[in-house]
Amino acid sequence: GESVGLHLPTLSVQEGDNSIINCAYSNSASDYFIWYKQESGKGPQFIIDIRSNMDKRQGQRVTVLLNKTVKHLSLQIAATQPGDSAVYFCAENIPPGNTGKLIFGQGTTLQVKP
Amino acid sequence: DAGITQSPRYKITETGRQVTLMCHQTWSHSYMFWYRQDLGHGLRLIYYSAAADITDKGEVSDGYVVSRSKTENFPLTLESATRSQTSVYFCASVAPSGREMGDTQYFGPGTRLTVL
Repeated sequence: GESVGLHLPTLSVQEGDNSIINCAYSNSASDYFIWYKQESGKGPQFIIDIRSNMDKRQGQRVTVLLNKTVKHLSLQIAATQPGDSAVYFCAENIPPGNTGKLIFGQGTTLQVKP
Repeated sequence: DAGITQSPRYKITETGRQVTLMCHQTWSHSYMFWYRQDLGHGLRLIYYSAAADITDKGEVSDGYVVSRSKTENFPLTLESATRSQTSVYFCASVAPSGREMGDTQYFGPGTRLTVL
């Protein structure tokens, strides 16, 4: 299934299925993007990042895709597990420089059904 | 490895009172940040600091003051708390790594502040 930021803030998937979380970013000059996972009562935790000179980057069970033409970012989670249940945020770095100042999206809640 | 810690974790105060939220990191990271997170929203930047004695405003800095006399500490003060400042506050730090990829921000556990 898919979720698009503000319009579908909750994504519910069956354990073992693949999840796709989408994010539309705001600034065409943004050069660095990060996905964070936030579990209830905790701070955001880094998942994966990607530079604007890349279209795709893979990690362990996660893949980030970047489409600069339509300013769209997606996070794919393979074989979703109950421990993946959390709120997922995309964030963008707007140049100049990589000061760490990020603009965060609204977040998408991922619910994994056992 | 203690990482980044925040105190207190929970705070209830009254309108008009001054409140200081503490943030401490053990990595000697140059950059530190304060964000607030409101229900149903992402994080919004309040203040950031590039190094000791260097601070700058973020998106929602009104009503907040920061200081950074030591690299490892970055306290956030609400000079006269208002109900609209009820929120969860997160501190973060990042060390420019020189990697081609960007620099990862590490977040603290957050402080839940309620202003009555």
